[in-house]
Amino acid sequence: EVQLVESGGGIVQPGGSLRLSCAASGFTFSNYWMNWVRQAPGKGPVWVSRIKSDGSGTTYADSVKGRFTISRDNAKNTLYLQMNSLRAEDTAVYYCGRDRNYYYLDVWGNGTTVTVSS
Amino acid sequence: EIVLTQSPATLSLSPGERATLSCRASQSVSNYLAWYQQKPGQAPRLLIYDASNRATGIPTRFSGSGSGTDFTLTISSLEPEDFAVYYCQQRGDWPPLAFGGGTKVEIK
Repeated sequence: EVQLVESGGGIVQPGGSLRLSCAASGFTFSNYWMNWVRQAPGKGPVWVSRIKSDGSGTTYADSVKGRFTISRDNAKNTLYLQMNSLRAEDTAVYYCGRDRNYYYLDVWGNGTTVTVSS
Repeated sequence: EIVLTQSPATLSLSPGERATLSCRASQSVSNYLAWYQQKPGQAPRLLIYDASNRATGIPTRFSGSGSGTDFTLTISSLEPEDFAVYYCQQRGDWPPLAFGGGTKVEIK
């Protein structure tokens, strides 16, 4: 079964850090670009970051550039999102998604919740 | 930056009725348009890609159409499990992918 499972979310104070993980199974992880998408409570999904299949290229939404770092370990079939200098507006459910044709996400994880609050 | 506008914001219908959801792009996205369904507490689920192609396992009552700037998702006959929020999403230069504001299909 093709599956993505996120972990690492939690409650953190403003200015703090968290690292999210996304474990992939059931497909050849190293063949696919991957994305992080977040969704604030009651809002629509918002793209956060993307990484190429071999990790050679990354892109970020302006709102997280310089604070978040996407990476992957193809030997471990795992995607990561290092989040630093967290702000209240980063509070959201974070999903990882498998990229197809450079835009649509055909497989999504179950999400992990990040809450930034003092 | 391309902006996607979905309408209506809420659609109140009964099971068995036809649902027509609209997504309009501020400039042409060719046919690079996807539709997702999201139920409370769940991740979005891909329904349609490239404007009109059904994703794996999606029932035939779901269909997509359009190109350029105007797109439509049609649910031919609503089943109880179809009441959810629907998002369109496009491929663009920047950001590389962006979502519309969503349409909630609720039971009348």
